[in-house]
Amino acid sequence: AQKITQTQPGMFVQEKEAVTLDCTYDTSDQSYGLFWYKQPSSGEMIFLIYQGSYDEQNATEGRYSLNFQKARKSANLVISASQLGDSAMYFCAMRLPTGNQFYFGTGTSLTVIP
Amino acid sequence: KAGVTQTPRYLIKTRGQQVTLSCSPISGHRSVSWYQQTPGQGLQFLFEYFSETQRNKGNFPGRFSGRQFSNSRSEMNVSTLELGDSALYLCASSRQTGGGTDTQYFGPGTRLTVL
Repeated sequence: AQKITQTQPGMFVQEKEAVTLDCTYDTSDQSYGLFWYKQPSSGEMIFLIYQGSYDEQNATEGRYSLNFQKARKSANLVISASQLGDSAMYFCAMRLPTGNQFYFGTGTSLTVIP
Repeated sequence: KAGVTQTPRYLIKTRGQQVTLSCSPISGHRSVSWYQQTPGQGLQFLFEYFSETQRNKGNFPGRFSGRQFSNSRSEMNVSTLELGDSALYLCASSRQTGGGTDTQYFGPGTRLTVL
């Protein structure tokens, strides 16, 4: 069963604008971790931000914030003030406490337009 | 602190050959996971090693195997290569302190082309 769903295959955003990338997840566990990664064309997966299931505050890391809505099982990534270098694939992932396997979504391709 | 390193970065092989990819995790990280990424299938989990033991395995044929050494470095091997094995192979390491907070950090990947 699909545990992470990213419904936006591709997104466009104007430079300096904010953009939200959607992610929903499916688990019956109470404890889990949610992650976002960025993958530029070079291929390396870059860790961006983490949200724990028990964290009451939304995680923020610089221009990245994670809009965590536990009841809706969503963990959307918000990028503020988009830059040309933000053009990349973005993956949402979930880690469950049992084992160390990460479940990844299919990714969203973000293109920042000058 | 050095990141995850993978060697080689690029590899070209022919069908039927075998290949070994190497991954050195971040210092202090004990868990190493391997992923295959293709345009058609996306990111797929291969296996995870912790303390030299395979803990998790994805749905891949037995041609795909791996191991981990006492210094946490890991290798994965693909025997009898097929055209469909052409992919970006990503290695990720984590400290594995337990719980859901453990973050995986990825290496730059090895791009394998099978001709």
